[in-house]
Amino acid sequence: EAQVTQNPRYLITVTGKKLTVTCSQNMNHEYMSWYRQDPGLGLRQIYYSMNVEVTDKGDVPEGYKVSRKEKRNFPLILESPSPNQTSLYFCASSLSGGQGSPLHFGNGTRLTVT
Amino acid sequence: RKEVEQDPGPFNVPEGATVAFNCTYSNSASQSFFWYRQDCRKEPKLLMSVYSSGNEDGRFTAQLNRASQYISLLIRDSKLSDSATYLCVKGGSYIPTFGRGTSLIVHP
Repeated sequence: EAQVTQNPRYLITVTGKKLTVTCSQNMNHEYMSWYRQDPGLGLRQIYYSMNVEVTDKGDVPEGYKVSRKEKRNFPLILESPSPNQTSLYFCASSLSGGQGSPLHFGNGTRLTVT
Repeated sequence: RKEVEQDPGPFNVPEGATVAFNCTYSNSASQSFFWYRQDCRKEPKLLMSVYSSGNEDGRFTAQLNRASQYISLLIRDSKLSDSATYLCVKGGSYIPTFGRGTSLIVHP
């Protein structure tokens, strides 16, 4: 089954404790991206990747890192999480990004930073 | 001004009603638009792409009006299961822009 898989689904952590949210897709998509969704603000893009070893900032990259060492994986790293990073996070992929390619989303990671 | 604007609603309609949402956009270089559906606390799922000539998928019709810079979604014969938030998305470059969503509640 074609899918985007993110883990964990729920995560509670403390300020400053490094964490990684994993994302994997099995559709051989070139483009992958991370979003956060907050009430009243909608979906905002954090980082995206057009292909292996090619990443770029989205609208809200501060406090996050990503890597794309393999085509299928695109982990999101919070080196020193803070409470304002409490949010619902979605990973997404598409065939080519840019024009005309719809996004396929993972089922989300709800992160709470205390 | 946000690039993609949607009325947050909620739109409260009875089963069987026809309901329409609009989504206005700015910076019209984009060639691609989409409607996504999002259920509470779940991931957005593609409902339909929006083509310049308009397109229909069962009870759903999407249209694009480039002159007035808006896209629309029409839902006919609403079902209880249509209750969700509908997100308008403007594609283009590598940073798609999402609207904040329109909430639809279909009641018996």
